[in-house]
Amino acid sequence: DQQVKQNSPSLSVQEGRISILNCDYTNSMFDYFLWYKKYPAEGPTFLISISSIKDKNEDGRFTVFLNKSAKHLSLHIVPSQPGDSAVYFCAASALYGGSQGNLIFGKGTKLSVKP
Amino acid sequence: DVKVTQSSRYLVKRTGEKVFLECVQDMDHENMFWYRQDPGLGLRLIYFSYDVKMKEKGDIPEGYSVSREKKERFSLILESASTNQTSMYLCASSFGTGLGHLAKNIQYFGAGTRLSVL
Repeated sequence: DQQVKQNSPSLSVQEGRISILNCDYTNSMFDYFLWYKKYPAEGPTFLISISSIKDKNEDGRFTVFLNKSAKHLSLHIVPSQPGDSAVYFCAASALYGGSQGNLIFGKGTKLSVKP
Repeated sequence: DVKVTQSSRYLVKRTGEKVFLECVQDMDHENMFWYRQDPGLGLRLIYFSYDVKMKEKGDIPEGYSVSREKKERFSLILESASTNQTSMYLCASSFGTGLGHLAKNIQYFGAGTRLSVL
């Protein structure tokens, strides 16, 4: 039973355009959400996060949107660059629900940005 | 910068061998985690630890054990390696359950160990 779902295994975008990566979750106790980026043969690196008291968090070209009623979050990358080509993982945590910092990860979306 | 170091990038072992995967972090983090990553399955939690000599099972602990004798070091042990344990193994650490400071919950990962069991 997947609590965090990334329904698109892959996404292809033209350089300079917007990339939108989506993530859905089922557990209403989740209150903190993170996005990680992973290049082949490397560990995931933290990209951006958002708490459940916000609906948007922005960091440079990266913006995460949270829609709590729909249990949906998305990562927008504008403009997309070839170096953004990687696998992106969505993760969630129930901090106030006693998860003690454990993260539940989605299966990832492979983003390809074409020059 | 947070540094999480995994002792080996690539490892080839034979079925039945005992395998040790070592992970060291240099940021005095309380929490440490071991995951495995397989194509189409994402990151799955094997074991985690919130303190020295403390361990908790994750989602897929079967066939694995862990050891945390020092705060900075978390070891994953495959008692008798099998071919279905061929995978990418990732270690991570975080400050802890910082309810007052969400950034404490960000996990930092090592570069991973690609283990092949023949």
